[in-house]
Amino acid sequence: AQTVTQSQPEMSVQEAETVTLSCTYDTSENNYYLFWYKQPPSRQMILVIRQEAYKQQNATENRFSVNFQKAAKSFSLKISDSQLGDTAMYFCAFMIYGQNFVFGPGTRLSVLP
Amino acid sequence: DSGVTQTPKHLITATGQRVTLRCSPRSGDLSVYWYQQSLDQGLQFLIQYYNGEERAKGNILERFSAQQFPDLHSELNLSSLELGDSALYFCASSVFDEQFFGPGTRLTVL
Repeated sequence: AQTVTQSQPEMSVQEAETVTLSCTYDTSENNYYLFWYKQPPSRQMILVIRQEAYKQQNATENRFSVNFQKAAKSFSLKISDSQLGDTAMYFCAFMIYGQNFVFGPGTRLSVLP
Repeated sequence: DSGVTQTPKHLITATGQRVTLRCSPRSGDLSVYWYQQSLDQGLQFLIQYYNGEERAKGNILERFSAQQFPDLHSELNLSSLELGDSALYFCASSVFDEQFFGPGTRLTVL
C-alpha cells in the first residue's frame, strides 16, 4: 500500500524568509504524481504545486518549488519570501494514475510577522 | 473557485439521525471522491466514483453510503449518526491526474 509521511507536524517561519516542508512516500510503482495542497484557516483545499514522477525537472510555481528525489522517494516543498497568507496546513499527496489519492497527515505552517 | 460545489455548507443534527451531503463536480469531470476531515486531522479517503460506478473504497463505515447519478453529481449518505461523525466532508472531482476540491460540508452531530 502507498503511504505518505510528513515528519514535521508544525513549523514556523519569519515573514520574507524561506522554509522547507518535508514529505516522503512509499510505493513500488514507477509512474505516479505528487502534489502539495494548502489548507488555510478557511479550510478550503488549494492545489499549490504538482510533479509528475517521470519528469526529472523540479516543478516551480512562483514562490513555491519542490525538490523531487525519486530514488529517495522524497518530495519537499520550498516556500520562498514567505508571506502571512502562507499560514496554513500543508498536505503532501500521492496518486497513481487511475487510483485514489493518498494524503499525508499535514504540516501546520505559521508565518510570523 | 474550484468549480466543485457542495451543499449544504453547514449541517447540524442529532445522534441517530440520517443526512445527505451533495456534490456537483466540475463540468466534464467524471470522477468524484469523498473525504472526511475531523478536527485538526488529515484527510481520510472514503470512496471514489467514476462515471456512475464505484471505483475505490477507503475507510468508509457501513453506516455511510454514496452514489453517483447519471448527471455525475454525487451524494454521500450518513446514517445512525454518532458524535464522532462530526467533521468536514469534502468532495473532489478530477478528470485525469489532478483533484479539485469543493468548499466542504461541515457536519456537527449533537
